[in-house]
Amino acid sequence: GAGVSQSPRYKVAKRGQDVALRCDPISGHVSLFWYQQALGQGPEFLTYFQNEAQLDKSGLPSDRFFAERPEGSVSTLKIQRTQQEDSAVYLCASSLVGHYNEQFFGPGTRLTVL
Amino acid sequence: SQQGEEDPQALSIQEGENATMNCSYKTSINNLQWYRQNSGRGLVHLILIRSNEREKHSGRLRVTLDTSKKSSSLLITASRAADTASYFCATDEGSNQFYFGTGTSLTVIP
Repeated sequence: GAGVSQSPRYKVAKRGQDVALRCDPISGHVSLFWYQQALGQGPEFLTYFQNEAQLDKSGLPSDRFFAERPEGSVSTLKIQRTQQEDSAVYLCASSLVGHYNEQFFGPGTRLTVL
Repeated sequence: SQQGEEDPQALSIQEGENATMNCSYKTSINNLQWYRQNSGRGLVHLILIRSNEREKHSGRLRVTLDTSKKSSSLLITASRAADTASYFCATDEGSNQFYFGTGTSLTVIP
């Protein structure tokens, strides 16, 4: 496909479980971003990759959040010991290089922590 | 944290009318982008305006940028029901981070 894909689209986790969210960016896009969007709010920046290098992870809310992009393409956002406040939509976006170009967003993963 | 703030929070207009929404931000930027989000298509890029530009057009969209006031406006002309969505401005700070505002919810009544 030509767009950014994310899986799963929906995830329900019990509090304390670990979850892994996957992002497949557009082929050839160097930059990859993760965002967290709470209901009724705008997306909030979590982390940024340029190829396999994680250049900025200052938006990750706690050390329970971890992201990787080992081969510079697919990325995984992992949340350990999930809490109810982690419930949100997690969006992935890719762009040619950096934020100077438009970002193409995936459909998001809706995470619900019970 | 979110740097941008859109105004108004919600806007309801009749089809065919123009819709104007505003965005204010806090620090200097390299560029400002507008995005649209609806349940059907997710978050979609609309237009990008660079800090050295004052106005940009794309189809029925017109964006202005006033860096002295740290504000931008998005005008949608001849609105259609399909324009119903939430609209966000997004800015950088010359850093790798990218800040979205809180959004304007636009409803276009057929």
